[in-house]
Amino acid sequence: AQSVTQLGSHVSVSEGALVLLRCNYSSSVPPYLFWYVQYPNQGLQLLLKYTSAATLVKGINGFEAEFKKSETSFHLTKPSAHMSDAAEYFCAVSETQGGSEKLVFGKGTKLTVNP
Amino acid sequence: GAGVSQSPSNKVTEKGKDVELRCDPISGHTALYWYRQSLGQGLEFLIYFQGNSAPDKSGLPSDRFSAERTGGSVSTLTIQRTQQEDSAVYLCASSLGQGGMTQYFGPGTRLLVL
Repeated sequence: AQSVTQLGSHVSVSEGALVLLRCNYSSSVPPYLFWYVQYPNQGLQLLLKYTSAATLVKGINGFEAEFKKSETSFHLTKPSAHMSDAAEYFCAVSETQGGSEKLVFGKGTKLTVNP
Repeated sequence: GAGVSQSPSNKVTEKGKDVELRCDPISGHTALYWYRQSLGQGLEFLIYFQGNSAPDKSGLPSDRFSAERTGGSVSTLTIQRTQQEDSAVYLCASSLGQGGMTQYFGPGTRLLVL
């Protein structure tokens, strides 16, 4: 079974500072990887996804993530944090088995942006 | 276009009652998923529907949970004899199919069992 580990359940940054949210995965096959964002009392919104086309993936709202196979990592970054980035972020890997498919999620990282 | 919709948005029920949660996927999406989000367990897969294939029910936590998908579109998740530990946010998602297709999520149903 595949798994996802997100280091740091809470991350706090100042407005304008670099955002770095860490994600490591375990997968026996080339993975499909995703980052989703969840604002309070809302569902999950896709930020970006990795599908092996390029190791550096650009997403919405200025976020990007780099796939590093040697480190089994898919960390999410944004050069300059904005107050509106405050939310919870989930890394996920797509697991396909026996004709079924599902997302396996990390525990999430809550991002706080301080003025 | 319209996204995934879920109803009700909030549900408060008494222990032992049955509840039904509804999901309307994006039109044309053949795959539909239910997940549960709770403080202690994070985001957990519950069930997967793909076209006319038999659903993958491997994530359902007990036989009190069941789901159906009528006409390849709308899905209903039913919880019988609800327990307090069933309190969670139930999220529905849909996608164009398998192979790492993006799953688009609805806003969720917040269930509170008293």
